[in-house]
Amino acid sequence: GENVEQHPSTLSVQEGDSAVIKCTYSDSASNYFPWYKQELGKGPQLIIDIRSNVGEKKDQRIAVTLNKTAKHFSLHITETQPEDSAVYFCAASRNTNAGKSTFGDGTTLTVKP
Amino acid sequence: DTGVSQDPRHKITKRGQNVTFRCDPISEHNRLYWYRQTLGQGPEFLTYFQNEAQLEKSRLLSDRFSAERPKGSFSTLEIQRTEQGDSAMYLCASSPGQEDTEAFFGQGTRLTVV
Repeated sequence: GENVEQHPSTLSVQEGDSAVIKCTYSDSASNYFPWYKQELGKGPQLIIDIRSNVGEKKDQRIAVTLNKTAKHFSLHITETQPEDSAVYFCAASRNTNAGKSTFGDGTTLTVKP
Repeated sequence: DTGVSQDPRHKITKRGQNVTFRCDPISEHNRLYWYRQTLGQGPEFLTYFQNEAQLEKSRLLSDRFSAERPKGSFSTLEIQRTEQGDSAMYLCASSPGQEDTEAFFGQGTRLTVV
């Protein structure tokens, strides 16, 4: 089955700096890669996703990159703000069943004002 | 529509008791998923439904767990004879069921077995 590894497990940055979270996956059949933000006591919220037919996607301060050959994908947050502080999860699944995902173990991001 | 709704938000139960959680998906979403999340880990897939049919179950779903979606709308997840190891957040998600569509998660039910 699929295995997703996520690094780092914790990340602390100063407000305004960039944050990068990296994930690797094992199943070459995976072709849909969502990223979720989870705040304390809440469910995961999709913030951005990427499909295997593109190498990069950007939405305002958030961008994702995908290297299918290396089975790597990354989340980049620029101009971080204190409200970006949360746990971020990467996941991998297939387009045919995007809701059935294998998740990484999460990265706790702390943005210091 | 306010998104995926889960009830209760919190449940404390004694070991050995049965518990049941409910999930109301986004209206007209055909697919419904259950996940379990323990502290410090990502959600783990348990099972999913396409309308009322339960199409896949993870090996994590022991025989003490049962899920239903009788009319293809809301779903229930029941845990019989709860154990301390069942303490976790139980998350529900739904999606329209077509390709290239995302899934939306509810707020979860936090179960504590004492």
